[in-house]
Amino acid sequence: AQSVAQPEDQVNVAEGNPLTVKCTYSVSGNPYLFWYVQYPNRGLQFLLKYITGDNLVKGSYGFEAEFNKSQTSFHLKKPSALVSDSALYFCAVRVYTGNQFYFGTGTSLTVIP
Amino acid sequence: GAVVSQHPSRVICKSGTSVKIECRSLDFQATTMFWYRQFPKKSLMLMATSNEGSKATYEQGVEKDKFLINHASLTLSTLTVTSAHPEDSSFYICSAKHLGEIADTQYFGPGTRLTVL
Repeated sequence: AQSVAQPEDQVNVAEGNPLTVKCTYSVSGNPYLFWYVQYPNRGLQFLLKYITGDNLVKGSYGFEAEFNKSQTSFHLKKPSALVSDSALYFCAVRVYTGNQFYFGTGTSLTVIP
Repeated sequence: GAVVSQHPSRVICKSGTSVKIECRSLDFQATTMFWYRQFPKKSLMLMATSNEGSKATYEQGVEKDKFLINHASLTLSTLTVTSAHPEDSSFYICSAKHLGEIADTQYFGPGTRLTVL
């Protein structure tokens, strides 16, 4: 069975500090990995995806994520957090041969001024 | 690019009435759209997969007669909540799969807040 885990419900970080939102996955096949961000009462916005190739993927708003096959992880990172980054972040995985996306439970990020 | 719209953004209705939510891909074609339900501070629950020109595929536990899905064109899918009850109150989000992109990225609509009185 395919699954995604986001082990932290809540992450707090001071403005200007680096941030990391963790994601691990379990799939039976080659994964496509995604990060989405959701602001209050809004839909999900696509941030970035990993398909193949370079393990470090750069996305919108200065975010990046590193694919680690041996650890089956795809952690989201940003070198310097902004207050406006405060939102709910979702990791998702899709198997190459599949149609359905599997979402993690979400991590609420709060950037403290 | 890759914009998905949803209408209405917010709806309040009386118990027993039906509510239709539209999901449109504005600048790409989507043979497949997805309907999700999200509870407060919870992850997304996939309700059904909507396929253009064919019947939707419902996830286990989702009543297909209560949540009617129609995907009549490559840019429009509708979800009708029939005989709505207060327990149907939720945030409904659609997404559309962009076939033109590698990995068929899903792009999400802004969501519809349904409140059933």
